[in-house]
Amino acid sequence: DGGITQSPKYLFRKEGQNVTLSCEQNLNHDAMYWYRQDPGQGLRLIYYSQIVNDFQKGDIAEGYSVSREKKESFPLTVTSAQKNPTAFYLCASRQYSNQPQHFGDGTRLSIL
Amino acid sequence: LAKTTQPISMDSYEGQEVNITCSHNNIATNDYITWYQQFPSQGPRFIIQGYKTKVTNEVASLFIPADRKSSTLSLPRVSLSDTAVYYCLVGDDYNQGGKLIFGQGTELSVKP
Repeated sequence: DGGITQSPKYLFRKEGQNVTLSCEQNLNHDAMYWYRQDPGQGLRLIYYSQIVNDFQKGDIAEGYSVSREKKESFPLTVTSAQKNPTAFYLCASRQYSNQPQHFGDGTRLSIL
Repeated sequence: LAKTTQPISMDSYEGQEVNITCSHNNIATNDYITWYQQFPSQGPRFIIQGYKTKVTNEVASLFIPADRKSSTLSLPRVSLSDTAVYYCLVGDDYNQGGKLIFGQGTELSVKP
């Protein structure tokens, strides 16, 4: 089945450590997105990419970095500069403009 | 980007029809209206999308008046499994560079 795979499902970060969240899609979608969700809140856009080797900052990009070297992959790195990284992270993709976004099942990041 | 306003929460009983209204007074000409459903610890799932008048699929209907300043998601005969958060999004991600904004959503609680 086609879809979006996020891994790991749970991730723990130590102080001062960078961690990378994986997002892979086999839907042949051009655009990919990373969102952050805090308890009881809606989704906030971190970064998005409409094409390989290109990406744009969303509303809360500080402390995060991404790469888009392959169409099917859009990893997110949570750097030590992100002082409050505990959240639920969601990756999404879509095929064409104004088509629905397809979401993965998320990665829950916590601080040790 | 058009801002949306939805009720924070709604309660219903099994078998009832539920209507969730979303206000988007500054909707632009090219904007689409999209609804997503999210269960705890899962990614949002697309429900329905429309531009004007009425759209119906196997799970819901979307009613959009002529002025497009609001929209109503209608869920017929809800069951306990429809308990979730419902998000209304308004935007034209082609002209907005791929961005869509999620609000806080409406938390629907279906009781037996």
